[in-house]
Amino acid sequence: QLQLQESGPGLVKPSETLSLTCTVSGGSISGGTYYWGWIRQPPGKGLEWIGSIIYSGGSYYNPSLKSPVTISVDTSRNQFSLKLTSVTAADTAVYYCARDLLAGRPNWFDSWGQGSLVTVSS
Amino acid sequence: EIVLTQSPATLSLSPGERATLSCRASENVNRYLAWYQQKPGQAPRLLIYDTSNRAAGIPARFSGSGSGTDFTLTISSLEPEDFAVYYCQQRHNSLTFGGGTKVEIK
Repeated sequence: QLQLQESGPGLVKPSETLSLTCTVSGGSISGGTYYWGWIRQPPGKGLEWIGSIIYSGGSYYNPSLKSPVTISVDTSRNQFSLKLTSVTAADTAVYYCARDLLAGRPNWFDSWGQGSLVTVSS
Repeated sequence: EIVLTQSPATLSLSPGERATLSCRASENVNRYLAWYQQKPGQAPRLLIYDTSNRAAGIPARFSGSGSGTDFTLTISSLEPEDFAVYYCQQRHNSLTFGGGTKVEIK
């Protein structure tokens, strides 16, 4: 069974870089043309898609995001990562990694990590 | 950006009752709409995708319908474990989520 686990610092200072890694087990990140995504949820609020990446490095990002975002993939470690630069308090959220249900372009998320709370504060 | 508006914000119902949740898109998303359930402290769970296809392991009491800009999630008879927040999502143009509908016990 596919499992995803987020890891990274729980506290980041304003204007610094938020970095998270998602480790995939129970399946290969290179196994098929699935996109792997990051979604976040501010405390008490709704869901926001950040971006998605495929094993070959192709990626899509949410054009509405204010902070610059980079998503990368490391197939040798079966991981993909998120970097959000110049963060503000508005980037405080639970960050989820997830895998798409269908192959092809980013679509529906059917396997999720448990989530990682990141707080932006000095 | 395609904006998804969910209504009502809160739905107060009793176990055994029928729940009808609405999701309206700011422009045509064809049938590229999904529904998720989220319980406190948990990740969302995919219920329905492409408007009406149930995801693996989802009970038949959950059904989806609609097309274009108006979509509905129906729970035919609420079970105690169905009280949660429900989100819709579109993939017609980028990916966006609705603001959610909380289904609470009356």
